[in-house]
Amino acid sequence: GQQVMQIPQYQHVQEGEDFTTYCNSSTTLSNIQWYKQRPGGHPVFLIQLVKSGEVKKQKRLTFQFGEAKKNSSLHITATQTTDVGTYFCAGPPRSNYQLIWGAGTKLIIKP
Amino acid sequence: DAGVIQSPRHEVTEMGQEVTLRCKPISGHNSLFWYRQTMMRGLELLIYFNNNVPIDDSGMPEDRFSAKMPNASFSTLKIQPSEPRDSAVYFCASTEGPLGSYNSPLHFGNGTRLTVT
Repeated sequence: GQQVMQIPQYQHVQEGEDFTTYCNSSTTLSNIQWYKQRPGGHPVFLIQLVKSGEVKKQKRLTFQFGEAKKNSSLHITATQTTDVGTYFCAGPPRSNYQLIWGAGTKLIIKP
Repeated sequence: DAGVIQSPRHEVTEMGQEVTLRCKPISGHNSLFWYRQTMMRGLELLIYFNNNVPIDDSGMPEDRFSAKMPNASFSTLKIQPSEPRDSAVYFCASTEGPLGSYNSPLHFGNGTRLTVT
């Protein structure tokens, strides 16, 4: 079936290091959305990418949507403690309306 | 705007009991979703309503689960009878308009943490 693979499952970084999570879809997506879930919280929408090859930035966060609209990445520069949480990608395949969710990447800041 | 409101925040119940979770979507949002989140299975879509009509309930685990949306500002998810494997965080989310090739972002409520003993 249609699925979105997200890696890595966990990433431990020192504060100030960079962080990247990748999503790969088995099918072409109409768009890709990114959400952040803090520990004990609920998913919060970050951004949506629609165009092939699109790149968007939000301060230290950079989001990319692949040319084939099947993969995406989120890169955080110089992580801070406020970045801790799980980052999810989600997107609808062209043939369907339903969002397919990645399993999430948990960002952990080493003490 | 108050956002999506869910109640209760926590529910602890014994196996076999009926559980009712409640959701108030953001005013003006036409689509409402019930999701379940567990460590093992991640986020699972249970049911999707558009304009108060259930569009897709293929994610509802079994007949013990039922959902209603009697009006645009209220929805319930009921589990009867509950079982320990139903323990999870249940999220309600809403968005503007129907889903299509260009999806509006989902706005999630704070969730209900259900524990069935």
